[in-house]
Amino acid sequence: SQKIEQNSEALNIQEGKTATLTCNYTNYSPAYLQWYRQDPGRGPVFLLLIRENEKEKRKERLKVTFDTTLKQSLFHITASQPADSATYLCALDEKYSSASKIIFGSGTRLSIRP
Amino acid sequence: DGGITQSPKYLFRKEGQNVTLSCEQNLNHDAMYWYRQDPGQGLRLIYYSQIVNDFQKGDIAEGYSVSREKKESFPLTVTSAQKNPTAFYLCASSGTGVNEQFFGPGTRLTVL
Repeated sequence: SQKIEQNSEALNIQEGKTATLTCNYTNYSPAYLQWYRQDPGRGPVFLLLIRENEKEKRKERLKVTFDTTLKQSLFHITASQPADSATYLCALDEKYSSASKIIFGSGTRLSIRP
Repeated sequence: DGGITQSPKYLFRKEGQNVTLSCEQNLNHDAMYWYRQDPGQGLRLIYYSQIVNDFQKGDIAEGYSVSREKKESFPLTVTSAQKNPTAFYLCASSGTGVNEQFFGPGTRLTVL
């Protein structure tokens, strides 16, 4: 079965630097991969989706890459700010499921220090 | 305002009691989902529904039940058969042909 691994439980970086979060999957390449942001005690919020035939997607200070050879997606936040501190979840579709189900990783808790 | 509402935000129950968590959406989405999140862990799918009057078990359905009598509503019942019900419960919905999911604010259930 498909497994998702997010590189670390927590990442602590200096304000202004680029934060890079990693999401690896173990089995089939998904049709698409998504990134969500979750603040403590709240529901996740969708950020970006990248499809298997796309290499890179950008939205303001966010960039996502998708490498099906490495079975990996990288999520970058440039010019990071303390307000970017949150848990970031990677999710991908269950390719062989008839339903629009997605599987979530356990998340990386990002802390941006001033 | 369009969105998903969950109520209540905090819920306390005694062991052995069934409890029902509410989830309502006015986004006109066909698909709705229930997830459970434990501290430091990702979301695990309990049940999902792609259309009214139909629902499917997710990865951890044992001890839970759902109904989907209306498009807007997808209540989750945590039964006394659920061995470890204390958790953060999240409801989500998605539209046809749209892959991203929209989440409610969550209900934190504590069983004493």
